[in-house]
Amino acid sequence: DQQVKQNSPSLSVQEGRISILNCDYTNSMFDYFLWYKKYPAEGPTFLISISSIKDKNEDGRFTVFLNKSAKHLSLHIVPSQPGDSAVYFCAVTYGGSQGNLIFGKGTKLSVKP
Amino acid sequence: DTGVSQDPRHKITKRGQNVTFRCDPISEHNRLYWYRQTLGQGPEFLTYFQNEAQLEKSRLLSDRFSAERPKGSFSTLEIQRTEQGDSAMYLCASSLATEITQYFGPGTRLTVL
Repeated sequence: DQQVKQNSPSLSVQEGRISILNCDYTNSMFDYFLWYKKYPAEGPTFLISISSIKDKNEDGRFTVFLNKSAKHLSLHIVPSQPGDSAVYFCAVTYGGSQGNLIFGKGTKLSVKP
Repeated sequence: DTGVSQDPRHKITKRGQNVTFRCDPISEHNRLYWYRQTLGQGPEFLTYFQNEAQLEKSRLLSDRFSAERPKGSFSTLEIQRTEQGDSAMYLCASSLATEITQYFGPGTRLTVL
């Protein structure tokens, strides 16, 4: 069973507009939520994270929203730029001594000039 | 800080051969993780170390897989008697034990013919 679901395999957005990437998870015990970006032939690059005690975290053009009751998080990119075109992975973890991240399958974002 | 490095970047081998990959983490990071990523999937956790101790192994890590981190610095992942199903990107990540964020290397792409 998938514990982390990214139901949109792809998303296409015009440059300058908002990109919204979504992620659903199944276990309310997850403590931390992260977003990674991945370009082809490279490893994932950390973007932004949020802990379960918050509902929003901002870093420049990137904002992550957490809705614990719905077990849903989203990543907003405003304004979107062509360089943002990549695969975005949502990841979750229990935190504490539990080390591993559990990833979704990713959403491929294309930002068109 | 040069980031996480992995060697080799690409490996092509014949079924039945043994292969070994190396990962050098960010120097002050005491945790080191191995993940595997196949096409259309997110990274899947294999194992992780805190210093030289291997603290957790996924059920994905069959008996043909072994990982070591002998001096708490670099790590090796060996696959014995490779099978075609082992073809994947093998990713290494590192972190401080006190932090959630993991930083990934560029990966080793394994192709088993």
